Order: sequence, then structure tokens, then C-alpha cells
Amino acid sequence: SAVISQKPSRDICQRGTSLTIQCQVDSQVTMMFWYRQQPGQSLTLIATANQGSEATYESGFVIDKFPISRPNLTFSTLTVSNMSPEDSSIYLCSVTMGLALGETQYFGPGTRLLVL
Amino acid sequence: SQQGEEDPQALSIQEGENATMNCSYKTSINNLQWYRQNSGRGLVHLILIRSNEREKHSGRLRVTLDTSKKSSSLLITASRAADTASYFCATDGGSGYSTLTFGKGTMLLVSP
Repeated sequence: SAVISQKPSRDICQRGTSLTIQCQVDSQVTMMFWYRQQPGQSLTLIATANQGSEATYESGFVIDKFPISRPNLTFSTLTVSNMSPEDSSIYLCSVTMGLALGETQYFGPGTRLLVL
Repeated sequence: SQQGEEDPQALSIQEGENATMNCSYKTSINNLQWYRQNSGRGLVHLILIRSNEREKHSGRLRVTLDTSKKSSSLLITASRAADTASYFCATDGGSGYSTLTFGKGTMLLVSP
């Protein structure tokens, strides 16, 4: 398994500003993912963070709004840009250790974001 | 895209009772995973069951998978107050990609 930390754990932001969330893993991992969980809802995949290349975004999510970096195999950042109250959510990163089918996905503790 | 759907949406039981949660999905899968989430925090991985498996156990957890009905169940035996949480099933896309699609979750409340 992997130990995953996220910073910040929570934040309150003003609309129009941006917040960068960090995800750090204690070991090298192949795949890193970013999810959003809106209040009272389930998780929705935002994008897959690819090491050394651009992230792969899911339908409904764009790079300008959610730029992602993945400079190495243990770290990734997600930026929530030009925030609005609708961006208030928990943002979670997750990882898989390999590329095989049926890999267990491990999640970080999440970043709880409130946009005023 | 496929979507897992859990039922019930909410379940309230007494300590010591068993809790059963169900999950249905729409397309073929490679595996199905169950997660627990306490009070809007991170997800804890409970168990993974592969498409060629029918039943799996882990401690007080028992998961079944019926691919013909595209459904899975999670049974928690002898529940405890600490089991109070939201439980989600998640399915992969059936391709070589590891992305998961999550169901809406079941909120379990275990009263002492």
C-alpha cells in the first residue's frame, strides 16, 4: 500500500482566487488521480496525472480550470483556478502502485475547500 | 460511462446487527472495490473483488459479486459504532485503464 498526504487539509477561499493542492506519496507510484466530491455526493474523477506529460481530463473538466502537475513519481498538484462557490468540494488524490488490471487504488485524506 | 448504484442510500442499525449494502453497475468490469469514508474525509480501501471471483472475505466483511446480474453486496457482520461511515462501491472501466467510477454510496449509522 501507499501512504498519501495532502496539503492543505482544508481552506476557505474567496471567489476569483486560485488554490493549489499538493499530493505527496511515500513511494514511487505509476498512476495518480484527482477526484472531486461535492457536498453529499459521490466521487467524480477529474483527471489522471501522468508523469512527464499532460494530464488526461475527464469529460466536463478542462486544463484551464484544473491545471495539474506531476513532476515526478511521488508528487502531484491540482490547482482550482478562478474559484466560485460551486467549486466547494473535497478534493482527493489517489494512486495505484502498478499498471496491471485490477489494481487497488489508495486515497489521500482529502482537501476540504469552501469558496465564499 | 458505467455507474455504480448503492442501495440503500441510508441504513440505521444497532450494534451487533449485520449490515448489508448492495451495488449495481451497468457495464462489464475487471474488478469492483468497496471503500469506507468517515465524515467526509479520505477513503479507506476495504476490499477488491475481481470479475472472476464470486465471494471474498476480510475480517467481518464479506463481499459477493454476481457479474450476470451486475451486482455486488457488502456484508458487515457484528457491526460496531465505529463502522458508522459512508460506504462506496467503485468499478473500473473494463479496459486497461485504472480509472474508477463510484456509486452514490450508502450512509451507515450504527447505534450503541
